[in-house]
Amino acid sequence: QVQLQESGPGLVKPSQTLSLTCAVSGGSISSGNHYWSWVRQPAGKGLEWIGRIHTRGTTDYNPSLRSRVTISAETSNNQVSLRLISVTAADTAIYYCVVDRPTYYHMDVWGKGTTVTVSS
Amino acid sequence: DIVMTQSPASLAVSLGERATIYCKSSQSLLYSSDNKNYLAWFQHKPGQPPKLLIYWASTRESGVPDRFSASGSGTDFTLTISSLQAEDVAVYYCQQYYTTYTFGQGTKLEIK
Repeated sequence: QVQLQESGPGLVKPSQTLSLTCAVSGGSISSGNHYWSWVRQPAGKGLEWIGRIHTRGTTDYNPSLRSRVTISAETSNNQVSLRLISVTAADTAIYYCVVDRPTYYHMDVWGKGTTVTVSS
Repeated sequence: DIVMTQSPASLAVSLGERATIYCKSSQSLLYSSDNKNYLAWFQHKPGQPPKLLIYWASTRESGVPDRFSASGSGTDFTLTISSLQAEDVAVYYCQQYYTTYTFGQGTKLEIK
């Protein structure tokens, strides 16, 4: 069973860049037919899909965040990374890493999430 | 982009009673090539990641109690908890995975 663990700074200053990593164990991010996604939940609000990267390296992003987001795969470390530029307080949230179930396509395994606060 | 609309936003139900949550998509989630609806339901409790309950609109995930059921096709979907238990208090989300992903805004389920 694949396991996911998010990590990164818990505090980011406004206008700076938020960078998170998702360490994958129990499977390789470069094998199979998976979508690795990032999802966030701002405090008191609902879940928001940020974007995803496929095993083959193609990416898709939420249109509302596309101009600020980059998701990449670091195969040497078996990690998926999230980079969000020009952050504001509205980017304060719990950030989750998620992988889909191959051939089924729904979101399947979630990391425990990591909290990021944007504040000066 | 596909917009998912859930109702109600919050719901209070007595223990042992039925809870029903509705989800509507802005376009059909039925994929003609496999006749499957690309709709999932998640349960989200504070301090935990969301938990998959239902996929393909009506298929219960392994280990999910059978008091949880779901139905619907095309653009209109329903999640039903037949006999509410205390541990079912959570926020419930529908999600389309027909094209990328979109979540509904969530339904907060509480005990009356």
